[in-house]
Amino acid sequence: EVQLVQSGAEVKKPGESLRISCKGSGYSFSRYWISWVRQMPGKGLEWMGRIDPRDSYMNYSPSFQGHVTMSADMSISTAFLQWSSLKASDTAMYYCSRHDGDNSPDYWGQGTLVTVSS
Amino acid sequence: DIQMTQSPSSLSASAGDRVTITCRASQGISNYLAWYQQKPGKVPHLLIYAASTLQSGVPSRFSGSGSGTDFTLTISSLQPEDVATYYCQKYDSVPWTFGQGTKVEIK
Repeated sequence: EVQLVQSGAEVKKPGESLRISCKGSGYSFSRYWISWVRQMPGKGLEWMGRIDPRDSYMNYSPSFQGHVTMSADMSISTAFLQWSSLKASDTAMYYCSRHDGDNSPDYWGQGTLVTVSS
Repeated sequence: DIQMTQSPSSLSASAGDRVTITCRASQGISNYLAWYQQKPGKVPHLLIYAASTLQSGVPSRFSGSGSGTDFTLTISSLQPEDVATYYCQKYDSVPWTFGQGTKVEIK
């Protein structure tokens, strides 16, 4: 069974760093890109970027370039999304999803809720 | 970047009604268009990919059509369990932009 399991909810203060994870199982992790999607409270879905775990080639949305960093570790079938200095406006649910080549994402993680508050 | 515009932003229909949601791309995207359903508090769920291909396990009352810049998602007979927000997403080239969503409610 294909699964993307994300790390648990986080509560952080502004200025703190954070890394959340997305672990794939039930499929060949290296064969699928991982995308990240943000959903702010009560708002729509925003595509942040994607990473190819085979070589860590990445594409970022211009809206998120420079604000977050994606990475992946094939040895543990896990992709990461990290912030070096969180802002209150980073409060959101973050989803990972997988896709194969030119195909649309088919499986999604359960989401990680990030709350940034002083 | 290509923009995706959905309409309407919300709709209310009776059970059994035919419902149509449109998604327009600011430039042509061939058929690289997916539709997702997101029920309140839940993870988005893929309904349709390649503009018109039904994802395995999705009820046949859902259908998609279109190519180029104009796309539609149709629910042939709205059911109470279809209450959700529906999003289109382009995936022809990065960035993979979503539409702003259409909230579907039952009258």
